[in-house]
Amino acid sequence: NAGVMQNPRHLVRRRGQEARLRCSPMKGHSHVYWYRQLPEEGLKFMVYLQKENIIDESGMPKERFSAEFPKEGPSILRIQQVVRGDSAAYFCASSPRSGQAKNIQYFGAGTRLSVL
Amino acid sequence: AQSVTQPDIHITVSEGASLELRCNYSYGATPYLFWYVQSPGQGLQLLLKYFSGDTLVQGIKGFEAEFKRSQSSFNLRKPSVHWSDAAEYFCAVGMYSGGGADGLTFGKGTHLIIQP
Repeated sequence: NAGVMQNPRHLVRRRGQEARLRCSPMKGHSHVYWYRQLPEEGLKFMVYLQKENIIDESGMPKERFSAEFPKEGPSILRIQQVVRGDSAAYFCASSPRSGQAKNIQYFGAGTRLSVL
Repeated sequence: AQSVTQPDIHITVSEGASLELRCNYSYGATPYLFWYVQSPGQGLQLLLKYFSGDTLVQGIKGFEAEFKRSQSSFNLRKPSVHWSDAAEYFCAVGMYSGGGADGLTFGKGTHLIIQP
């Protein structure tokens, strides 16, 4: 059973470009979470999605950031017109809808975004 | 709003010595509590969790943590550290709102250094 898969592991973008980060949850998991980690900081919650639904986006910046989790395929975190302040590690986590592990979030290895 | 405080940014411990990492939280109810470990350039691995019941919980790699409601604390302990324990440790709190686990709130982390 593969873990949470994120790609790419490293992404370099120039200011003004778009960044697309992908996350495939663990098999059987229907809940996906995105977090951002700035240097020397802990993780900050951004958004919580279930298939085709955004459940909680209270941590998402109001502009340029969007997330989706379609019926088929991975979850995507999209950052439009990136700025240097977007440089960070972005982590995805997933959890199942039921069972003993339903309140446990399992994390991927992250995507490290560098904006030049 | 909930918050998590890890008062120690860095801790240095000699190999074989005991370890305690502090975590205090602010929350309106009894939250779910977690400790995660992050090695450089890697994702987060779950060490242990507290949901309810016995306030002393055992985790992987010989770690344990004790939930103390009166002190709003969830300190992580290990009786004898190994050089491979050098990493960043994050305490996190979350809640379950019926439809699924909400996004976690993380502390800023404690960087553990092991001296030979």
